[in-house]
Parts: sequence; structure tokens; C-alpha cells
Amino acid sequence: SAVISQKPSRDICQRGTSLTIQCQVDSQVTMMFWYRQQPGQSLTLIATANQGSEATYESGFVIDKFPISRPNLTFSTLTVSNMSPEDSSIYLCSVERFSLAGSYNEQFFGPGTRLTVL
Amino acid sequence: GESVGLHLPTLSVQEGDNSIINCAYSNSASDYFIWYKQESGKGPQFIIDIRSNMDKRQGQRVTVLLNKTVKHLSLQIAATQPGDSAVYFCAQTSGNTPLVFGKGTRLSVIA
Repeated sequence: SAVISQKPSRDICQRGTSLTIQCQVDSQVTMMFWYRQQPGQSLTLIATANQGSEATYESGFVIDKFPISRPNLTFSTLTVSNMSPEDSSIYLCSVERFSLAGSYNEQFFGPGTRLTVL
Repeated sequence: GESVGLHLPTLSVQEGDNSIINCAYSNSASDYFIWYKQESGKGPQFIIDIRSNMDKRQGQRVTVLLNKTVKHLSLQIAATQPGDSAVYFCAQTSGNTPLVFGKGTRLSVIA
């Protein structure tokens, strides 16, 4: 499996500010993703972080609100901009790596960043 | 669009009993299914997967069953232990599409 770390693990932020979350993986991976998990809910994909190009956003998520960087194959950042209490959530980094055992890619998750916006 | 849902949002099981967690999916094109376990304060952890060319796959104490006819997926945990208490998510994908997650079932093991 891939070892994924996220920073910060949690934060409490004021309305109107921005927070950048970092994701570091211990090996080069083909794909990196950012998910949001609201309290008591399932995971929702925000975007696919593309190395060397703009991220691919899912419906309902835009670059101005969630700018993403991926400068190399092991690192990505997600920024939550101009935060409001509705942004309080867990933000999860995920990576996909090709499985030698089969023709599908395996997907692993980081520990998450718990964000509370006051 | 795609949707993946669960029949039971919560499940309480006596320690030592078997647990069955169910999941329904709507996209008949899905060909790869995964069960994840998420403990409190942690990210989802891969448990077991199954491809659409199979109807059953077994791991250590876990079995996944796939019924493509009715688009139903289940996770069976044998001899449930307190450490199995967590939220379980099913997820599906078809080819290179992103994973779609179900709502999740909270499993509580009663000692």
C-alpha cells in the first residue's frame, strides 16, 4: 500500500480566511485525488489533481474555491478559499497506483484533515 | 447519474456473530467494486475488492458477494470482533471513472 500523510491533521479557521492542505505520498503515483467528507456523510470527489496541468473538478466544485496544485508525482495541495462554516468537513487526499496483480488501479486514502470554520 | 447506496445505515452485532453489510448500485457498467472500512478519525482503509467477472471473493474473515443481476453487493464479516466497529463504504467504478461511494453503514459490535 501507499503511505500518505496530510498536513495539518486538523484546524479551526475563521470565516473568510483560506487554508492550504498538503498531501505527501511515499512513492510516485499515477493519480491523486481530493475528497470531502462532511460530518456523518460519505465521500464526495472534489477534483483530480493532475501533474503539470490544471486539476479536473467534479460538478459543484470550482477552481476559485478549491485551487489545487500538483507539482510532482508525490505531492499535492488543496486550498479551501474564503471559508464559511459550510466548508467544515474532513478533506481527504487519495492516490491511485497501478496494481501489478491486476489490470485495475488500487486507491488509497490519507488520514484526512478535519477543518472547522467558525 | 451513478449512485451507490446502502440498505442499512446502522448495524449492531454481537461479538462473535457474523455481520452482513449490503450495498446497491445503479450503474450496470460498473465493473470494479471495493469495500472500505473507516475508523473514527482515520481515512478509509481498503478491505477487499471484486471484479464484475466474479460473484464471490474471500479474504481473511471477509467475503464479498456480487450479484450483477440485481446490482447488489454485500460484505460478510465472520466472527465479528470489537475491532471491526467502524463505518463501511462500498465504492464502484467502471474503467477509468472516479470511484463513487455509497452512503456508509456504521457497524457496532456489542461485547
